[in-house]
Amino acid sequence: AQKVTQAQTEISVVEKEDVTLDCVYETRDTTYYLFWYKQPPSGELVFLIRRNSFDEQNEISGRYSWNFQKSTSSFNFTITASQVVDSAVYFCALSEETQGGSEKLVFGKGTKLTVNP
Amino acid sequence: EAGVAQSPRYKIIEKRQSVAFWCNPISGHATLYWYQQILGQGPKLLIQFQNNGVVDDSQLPKDRFSAERLKGVDSTLKIQPAKLEDSAVYLCASSLDLAGGPGETQYFGPGTRLLVL
Repeated sequence: AQKVTQAQTEISVVEKEDVTLDCVYETRDTTYYLFWYKQPPSGELVFLIRRNSFDEQNEISGRYSWNFQKSTSSFNFTITASQVVDSAVYFCALSEETQGGSEKLVFGKGTKLTVNP
Repeated sequence: EAGVAQSPRYKIIEKRQSVAFWCNPISGHATLYWYQQILGQGPKLLIQFQNNGVVDDSQLPKDRFSAERLKGVDSTLKIQPAKLEDSAVYLCASSLDLAGGPGETQYFGPGTRLLVL
């Protein structure tokens, strides 16, 4: 079965520091998708990025960047020059085929990021 | 574009009582998901609908949980009778693609926080 491991339970940084959130996954599928979601204190999961297994290019979006490495089954997320508004729980997720032939997301346990002023 | 709507946002009940949650997905989204998120964990899929049909309910405790999606739009999730361990956030998500994949992005609502006393 698919599995997603986010080894960092909590990270605390000071504003303007860079921070990397780790994600390691396990899958036997050759085609799969990886996701990152942000969950602020309000509780809603906010979609950040989707990456398919055939696209290993790193991606940058503003202060956010993602490093996908198939060789190590990792999909790490870096926030550059962190801000207080980045404080949230961040989830990494992997798509998995369901019994009905569709797909569901398997989530890691999340990493709680606190950015202090 | 309006996001996924859920109500109520909070609910406190006593064990053995029943409770119902409502979800309205993003307009035009064919696939709807209900997740359970226990404190400190990532969301876990309970049930997935494609239009008004169930695609996957393998993780739904069917002795006490039920869900329906009449007319293929909004959905209700019911717990009857509730147990202490049902205390969690119940998240609804929707995705556009008819098949719910592969790798289709799921958009989440704000969730309903349930506390069972």
